Amino acid sequence: GAVVSQHPSWVICKSGTSVKIECRSLDFQATTMFWYRQFPKQSLMLMATSNEGSKATYEQGVEKDKFLINHASLTLSTLTVTSAHPEDSSFYICSASQAGGHNEQFFGPGTRLTVL
Amino acid sequence: AQTVTQSQPEMSVQEAETVTLSCTYDTSESDYYLFWYKQPPSRQMILVIRQEAYKQQNATENRFSVNFQKAAKSFSLKISDSQLGDAAMYFCAYRIPLTGANSKLTFGKGITLSVRP
Repeated sequence: GAVVSQHPSWVICKSGTSVKIECRSLDFQATTMFWYRQFPKQSLMLMATSNEGSKATYEQGVEKDKFLINHASLTLSTLTVTSAHPEDSSFYICSASQAGGHNEQFFGPGTRLTVL
Repeated sequence: AQTVTQSQPEMSVQEAETVTLSCTYDTSESDYYLFWYKQPPSRQMILVIRQEAYKQQNATENRFSVNFQKAAKSFSLKISDSQLGDAAMYFCAYRIPLTGANSKLTFGKGITLSVRP
């Protein structure tokens, strides 16, 4: 089956620093990747949709300058949290989809970000 | 706008028993997909079952089956012979079948299922 990886799985950083999270589709080419944020015991909140080679489309209320998304290849998308603050602490999940078939989204294992 | 509603925040089931998780949705589309995802404590999202709206037959995957009522916009998940490993958070989700891969998932709030041994 389709496998999506995320790196790192867990990161702790100091307030004011930037953190980059990678999302890779390991055995398929991901035309589209999605980034979600999830707080404990809550649902997934879509942050942005990125297509390979294009600018990401951000959901309403998501700061594009704070959450930089790059989808430079068909197997890699990155989310950079710039000038992180404690309120950015959360669980970040990516998913990847390829055109055709059911256009199913395959989810990565998530990255836990803690900002001190 | 499409919405997905899971009104029960928590449910509990005895091991080996059957449990039904409820989900309703609102859409003006006639063709769409519905999903149930499982998120165990590891937090890895796992697709449990998929239903295509144009198919009248309810989807089934081993111990998991759905009751899809299109007119009522209801999509419930039945778990038979519940196992301890079924304990997780379950999310109902909706997606329209756009051409290409851009179609977004809309998730419900989720329900936490516990399984009593």
